[in-house]
Amino acid sequence: DTAVSQTPKYLVTQMGNDKSIKCEQNLGHDTMYWYKQDSKKFLKIMFSYNNKELIINETVPNRFSPKSPDKAHLNLHINSLELGDSAVYFCASSRYRVRNTEAFFGQGTRLTVV
Amino acid sequence: QKEVEQNSGPLSVPEGAIASLNCTYSDRVSQSFFWYRQYSGKSPELIMSIYSNGDKEDGRFTAQLNKASQYVSLLIRDSQPSDSATYLCAVRGDGGSTLGRLYFGRGTQLTVWP
Repeated sequence: DTAVSQTPKYLVTQMGNDKSIKCEQNLGHDTMYWYKQDSKKFLKIMFSYNNKELIINETVPNRFSPKSPDKAHLNLHINSLELGDSAVYFCASSRYRVRNTEAFFGQGTRLTVV
Repeated sequence: QKEVEQNSGPLSVPEGAIASLNCTYSDRVSQSFFWYRQYSGKSPELIMSIYSNGDKEDGRFTAQLNKASQYVSLLIRDSQPSDSATYLCAVRGDGGSTLGRLYFGRGTQLTVWP
């Protein structure tokens, strides 16, 4: 019983295509995140949803659109994919307004744009 | 973007030695600090969390926190080759617009040689 699960694990696609990544957590957390890890391994937050409400929206191209149908799910849709979008995308979850709360990550989606 | 700095590494230690990983952070408001371990091609795995000044021990791992100096460290005693990984320091934002964000350092790559 995986705590935070993402699909797909690997995604290879051509420039200009539109793709989605899905994430689900069964930890009972109220907040979910998308992080991007570049080739230099730097993890940077992109978005966060708390109880289906967008609470963090970093400077990300508007080709990236998150959607949270409920607090256990967070999807990421990417339009018009570019070569520079190639990276590993991680979903994570935690509890938002609780001090001393830990974040747990999904297994990642390695996106390769060719 | 709040700054989290880690000693850049790579760090190489012999089996059985103590590995020392350091991290400094810029946000004085932060109250929650984490160490994640990331094996190549895998997702970040939480190994330690620390919220109060002082030391916290868990098996071979000891986290140390000094909020006055804005410094957090991780000691790995009796290092094993299986400890070879990238170690990510993470700091949780606790105020205003930073609330709920996890800021990561760029990681320190540790190699433990037999």
